[in-house]
Order: sequence, then C-alpha cells, then structure tokens
Amino acid sequence: AQSVTQLGSHVSVSEGALVLLRCNYSSSVPPYLFWYVQYPNQGLQLLLKYTSAATLVKGINGFEAEFKKSETSFHLTKPSAHMSDAAEYFCAVSDDMDSSYKLIFGSGTRLLVRP
Amino acid sequence: DGGITQSPKYLFRKEGQNVTLSCEQNLNHDAMYWYRQDPGQGLRLIYYSQIVNDFQKGDIAEGYSVSREKKESFPLTVTSAQKNPTAFYLCASSRVKGGNQPQHFGDGTRLSIL
Repeated sequence: AQSVTQLGSHVSVSEGALVLLRCNYSSSVPPYLFWYVQYPNQGLQLLLKYTSAATLVKGINGFEAEFKKSETSFHLTKPSAHMSDAAEYFCAVSDDMDSSYKLIFGSGTRLLVRP
Repeated sequence: DGGITQSPKYLFRKEGQNVTLSCEQNLNHDAMYWYRQDPGQGLRLIYYSQIVNDFQKGDIAEGYSVSREKKESFPLTVTSAQKNPTAFYLCASSRVKGGNQPQHFGDGTRLSIL
C-alpha cells in the first residue's frame, strides 16, 4: 500500500534562508509524486510533480524537488525563503497500479518564515 | 478561466440536519473527488467518481453521500449520521489517464455546527 510521511509538522526559517521540507514515500511500483501548497482558507495549488522524466523537478515560485529512489524521498527545497512562502505544504503519491488514480497525501508541513 | 467552484464558502449545520456542498468544474475532467481536512491530519478522501453516474467510497464515507448526474457537478451531502462534521471540505478534479495526473482543487467550504 502507498503511504507518505512528511517529517516535521512545522518548519521555521528566516527570510532568505534555505527551505527544506521532507517527504518520504512507500510504493511497491515506481510512483508519481506531487507537492502542493495551501494558503489559509484556500484550496491546494500544485507546486510540482515527478513523473519519471527527470529526477530533479522544478516547480513554481522557485521551488524544486529531487526524486531519490534509493532513499524513497522527494524533498522540497527553495534556495531563499520569502515571506510569501509561509503556507502549508503537502506531499502526495499515486501510481498506475491503483486504477482509481487516487492521491495519498501526507499530513502536511506548515512553513513559517521569520523576518 | 477554467477551474473548480465550491459553494458556499461557509456553511452552518443544525443538529439533525442534512446539508449539501456544491462543487462545479469547467475543466472537462472526468474524475472528481471530495476530501475532508482537519487540523494536523492532512486530507482524507470521502468519495470519488471517475465517470458520470458512478462513484466509489473513499476512506471516510460514513455519514456522507454524493451524486454524479452531470460531468461538471459532484455535490456532497453531509447527513445527520455524520456526528462530527465540523471541518474544511475540498473538492478536486483530474483527468483519468494514469496516476500522473495532478488534481485541481477548489477553494473549499468550511462547515461548522450551530
């Protein structure tokens, strides 16, 4: 069965510092992986997705994520945090073995950006 | 612009009352989903549908019902059997062409108990 673990329910960084949000997945077949961002009282917005074309995936707003099969990880990074990055971030996994194409979400990481 | 519209944004339910949350999409997506979001628990799948007139239970379907009479619409009814309905409800849609299709989300409905 698929699962997603996001380490750290809250991450706090200073403005301008590196952002690193961790995601580890469990899947018996090559997965599809996604990162979403959620601002308060809004829906989820897709940041980026991994679909096996390249292990380093670039997304919107300067974010990128690297797929590491040996570590079963898909961590999200941004070189320099901005105040507007403060939000909740969700990692999700899917695969072609489940014909429902459901997404399995992690429990989320809230990013706080200090001035 | 294409997207997903959820209404209302805020909804209040009285004891013993059924309430219906609306979800409409104009993205021409075949699949639609309903999620419940509680603080610290991420998103949990309530129901999903991949085609008109067909839908399946997700992980927490008890106390909820849905219909899919039109491709564009996937309303969710929170019945009186759902004893703890206070949550943020999110609707999503996607293409159905393999697991690499991202889901697109509406802006949610926040349901509270009076």
